[in-house]
Amino acid sequence: DAKTTQPTSMDCAEGRAANLPCNHSTISGNEYVYWYRQIHSQGPQYIIHGLKNNETNEMASLIITEDRKSSTLILPHATLRDTAVYYCIVRVGSSGSARQLTFGSGTQLTVLP
Amino acid sequence: DAGVIQSPRHEVTEMGQEVTLRCKPISGHDYLFWYRQTMMRGLELLIYFNNNVPIDDSGMPEDRFSAKMPNASFSTLKIQPSEPRDSAVYFCASSFFPRANEKLFFGSGTQLSVL
Repeated sequence: DAKTTQPTSMDCAEGRAANLPCNHSTISGNEYVYWYRQIHSQGPQYIIHGLKNNETNEMASLIITEDRKSSTLILPHATLRDTAVYYCIVRVGSSGSARQLTFGSGTQLTVLP
Repeated sequence: DAGVIQSPRHEVTEMGQEVTLRCKPISGHDYLFWYRQTMMRGLELLIYFNNNVPIDDSGMPEDRFSAKMPNASFSTLKIQPSEPRDSAVYFCASSFFPRANEKLFFGSGTQLSVL
């Protein structure tokens, strides 16, 4: 699996957009980018995933660069409840095993009032 | 849907005792995963099941750990005998399928403290 690099921590003002970067320069053509988050004392929560096109759902948007070597998770209007550790994960698609959903250290996002 | 349900929420036990953690996956999900989270090692996959059958248990740390899934709605993770280094948060997760659009649904976890 491709390795990912994320900043250790980030701050964001409440109501502003939070842009969380992820570098995955060794990503392969069949690997997807997944984002999960973990709020304190809770289990991880799926946010979004994509292959090469930008994706949007009710929680966030995922922007993947054309060369697919990096991506950005965007929370359009961050709230205090978005304070969490955000994990960027790269793994293969249907041929991959569950073991390949490997959680790294993630980015601690703190939304400030 | 109630989501993935784990019990107990907290468990405190003494070294050498047997510990049993329980998980009820989301109805209709055919994959079940057990993870362990510590400050030092982060989230680690211990074992996962498909249709109640263990598929990959290579993450189970040693023979003291065992997991079962007797039916589609229940799984247990047992540690016998427990040791202080087993102290961690144990998460159960379930999913429809581990395909490209895989989404894991996690429970709230069991905080285990072995004294």
